Amino acid sequence: EVQLVESGGGLVQPGGSLRLSCAASGFTFSSYDMHWVRQATGKGLEWVSAIGTAGDTYYPGSVKGRFTISRENAKNSLYLQMNSLRAGDTAVYYCARAKDFDYWGQGTLVTVSS
Amino acid sequence: QSALTQPASVSGSPGQSITISCTGTSSDVGSYNLVSWYQQHPGKAPKLMIYEGSKRPSGVSNRFSGSKSGNTASLTISGLQAEDEADYYCCSYAGSRWVFGGGTKLTVL
Repeated sequence: EVQLVESGGGLVQPGGSLRLSCAASGFTFSSYDMHWVRQATGKGLEWVSAIGTAGDTYYPGSVKGRFTISRENAKNSLYLQMNSLRAGDTAVYYCARAKDFDYWGQGTLVTVSS
Repeated sequence: QSALTQPASVSGSPGQSITISCTGTSSDVGSYNLVSWYQQHPGKAPKLMIYEGSKRPSGVSNRFSGSKSGNTASLTISGLQAEDEADYYCCSYAGSRWVFGGGTKLTVL
């Protein structure tokens, strides 16, 4: 059974940093592209970043230069390093598998507030 | 990097069919056969319902179908059931990035 479990969310002050993790199981992690997607309370889904099997990375303009996606295949883990956080980054962050986002984790809440 | 355009809400009675549209541009929906649709119930993670425009993952009811014409993709749900009441999101690959629609709230009357 495919499972994705996010962790690392919490309360952080504006300008601060946070590192999210996503533990994957039930599939060959190294063979799949992976994504981070976020959702502010009561709002829609927003794609945040992607990493390919070769380690190539992609970001939208809203987070480029502030967020860094990475993966550690030996640990079946995906990460999102978030720096220079703003109030607008407050959201539930999901990790999702592959180009079709065919499996999602349960999400981890990031709150940016003073 | 605008979101794809979806109607904010649609509604239908049990047994009826509804269609949710998802309008993009020639840079996303119109250029790639990589539109997907997600169902999200309150407090839950999204669930993939349609991928590559019209394909259904294993376990998804055949009441759900997808199509595309030009820059607009569509999700049709036939034989509406109470359990279909949820938010629905489309998503398209757009060349080294992905873009979601704003979401559509489906109400089953």
